[in-house]
Amino acid sequence: EAGVVQSPRYKIIEKKQPVAFWCNPISGHNTLYWYRQNLGQGPELLIRYENEEAVDDSQLPKDRFSAERLKGVDSTLKIQPAELGDSAVYLCASSLARGPETQYFGPGTRLLVL
Amino acid sequence: GQNIDQPTEMTATEGAIVQINCTYQTSGFNGLFWYQQHAGEAPTFLSYNVLDGLEEKGRFSSFLSRSKGYSYLLLKELQMKDSASYLCAVRGSNDYKLSFGAGTTVTVRA
Repeated sequence: EAGVVQSPRYKIIEKKQPVAFWCNPISGHNTLYWYRQNLGQGPELLIRYENEEAVDDSQLPKDRFSAERLKGVDSTLKIQPAELGDSAVYLCASSLARGPETQYFGPGTRLLVL
Repeated sequence: GQNIDQPTEMTATEGAIVQINCTYQTSGFNGLFWYQQHAGEAPTFLSYNVLDGLEEKGRFSSFLSRSKGYSYLLLKELQMKDSASYLCAVRGSNDYKLSFGAGTTVTVRA
């Protein structure tokens, strides 16, 4: 069974440029998460989807970050415009449901903003 | 919110045992997870505890004491491939949100 797929794996951009990350969760997983992981830190939740509905986006900086999961399967996270402090690894995870199910992570997109 | 503490680094010898402690203070609790993360890779699920006691999975064991807000991950018969960061994560009871500690980097030496 394929795991969580993310692309690109690496991205280098200049500040003020836009950037987008894509995630395809494990087949059949209804819940999708976007995390940001800074160097030497644990992942921090940005947004959680139940199917196509964003049910927890309290940690998403909405002035520059946006996300969508239009058909309840794959998802896109966008930053516009990017700032130097956005350099981090952006991880996508999925689980069968919101409840006690284990989250499985993708390999992440490593973003460097110059 | 959640406050999760774990040591930053640990070093051990191949074949030895290492215990990684995690303490937490939470506004709600619905389980504690341990993940392993090799450099540049995704966190991978290791263990899950929701009741007090020890859960054993091969060379890895995880312990939970809810009254003490304490867990540990025990790695036995260490191998070089066990060199990684180990993340402790607590799930809230209201929103099932996972809150992660900063991770413990374990270095296994020959």
